[in-house]
Amino acid sequence: DTGVSQDPRHKITKRGQNVTFRCDPISEHNRLYWYRQTLGQGPEFLTYFQNEAQLEKSRLLSDRFSAERPKGSFSTLEIQRTEQGDSAMYLCASSAGQGVNTYGYTFGSGTRLTVV
Amino acid sequence: EDQVTQSPEALRLQEGESSSLNCSYTVSGLRGLFWYRQDPGKGPEFLFTLYSAGEEKEKERLKATLTKKESFLHITAPKPEDSATYLCAVRAGANSKLTFGKGITLSVRP
Repeated sequence: DTGVSQDPRHKITKRGQNVTFRCDPISEHNRLYWYRQTLGQGPEFLTYFQNEAQLEKSRLLSDRFSAERPKGSFSTLEIQRTEQGDSAMYLCASSAGQGVNTYGYTFGSGTRLTVV
Repeated sequence: EDQVTQSPEALRLQEGESSSLNCSYTVSGLRGLFWYRQDPGKGPEFLFTLYSAGEEKEKERLKATLTKKESFLHITAPKPEDSATYLCAVRAGANSKLTFGKGITLSVRP
């Protein structure tokens, strides 16, 4: 297992288009998180899954954003009707239920979204 | 609401010049304070987690400490390869998510 994988690494889209990102977590991790990071800011929490259940969504998350984790494995994050303000790095992280305070949350390299 | 404040925003050091990065936090029921390193264009890389006041952890030139209100990341004799953004985050209460500070950009000149 080579860690958390995200695809694509970069995405340029026109305003109003829909985009979908994929995250493959570390296989034995049952928890998966999505974060968004803009320049000069720390990562901002978007949503969290434990296995296939979406347990928490940020109050800041627009209805245009939706995430799924079918079968508790990979996850997808979809943004509908993209806006220029959606331009950011979208980070995925995973963790095991046990040992998170020892091993932390493992982040992927992110998907850089640019909305033009 | 959980809050994390990091200072300074940016720090420029000469190689070998030791210094400290600060992370102040306000949370209800701390369940872990995390330090991450982030290189440009990459995801954060886990460094340490601290759980209780008085706890210390070390890794190479880095040492993290924790009090009830803040954490410090001490960098001893830094090298240019230590240049990166250092992020502090907390896990609190019944939440599983992390709340991050804005990060501190460290530049180490040879």
